[in-house]
Amino acid sequence: AQSVTQLGSHVSVSEGALVLLRCNYSSSVPPYLFWYVQYPNQGLQLLLKYTSAATLVKGINGFEAEFKKSETSFHLTKPSAHMSDAAEYFCAVSSPGGSGGGADGLTFGKGTHLIIQP
Amino acid sequence: NAGVTQTPKFQVLKTGQSMTLQCAQDMNHNSMYWYRQDPGMGLRLIYYSASEGTTDKGEVPNGYNVSRLNKREFSLRLESAAPSQTSVYFCASRAQSRVPGELFFGEGSRLTVL
Repeated sequence: AQSVTQLGSHVSVSEGALVLLRCNYSSSVPPYLFWYVQYPNQGLQLLLKYTSAATLVKGINGFEAEFKKSETSFHLTKPSAHMSDAAEYFCAVSSPGGSGGGADGLTFGKGTHLIIQP
Repeated sequence: NAGVTQTPKFQVLKTGQSMTLQCAQDMNHNSMYWYRQDPGMGLRLIYYSASEGTTDKGEVPNGYNVSRLNKREFSLRLESAAPSQTSVYFCASRAQSRVPGELFFGEGSRLTVL
């Protein structure tokens, strides 16, 4: 069975500080990995994705994530936090034909709420 | 571009009432999905439709039915609402050309069952 674990349901950083949101996954087959962002009262929006090409993936709004197979991790980082980054962030793993939900085999983590302190 | 449109955005029901959540996408996507989001639970798949004319159960299908009316529209029906179905419901879609899991989401429908 595949799963996603996001460490910390809430993460608070100061404006201008490094953002690090942690995600670990388990999958029996080579995965696709995603980070989605949800701003207040909105739907989810794709931030970035890993599809077995480069292990360091750049996304929108200055975010990036690194796929580390040996650590089964896909942590999300941003060098300098901005107030507009305050949102809920979801890590997700997809392994078609795997044990996740639906034809896509997509499983979401429980989310990390990012708080930016002025 | 409207993307994925959900109606209604808010709804309050009494236990036992029925209702249908509507979803339409204008991106010519083949696959469509219904998720529910609950605090601390992430998103859980209710039903999905890999193509027009097909639907399949997801992780939490009990108490729900779906209809893939055509390629654009995918509706979710609650036949007899229960307080446990109080949640935020998201419709999503995916193009055939995108990798599995790369979804476009609507803005959500917030349902309260009293």
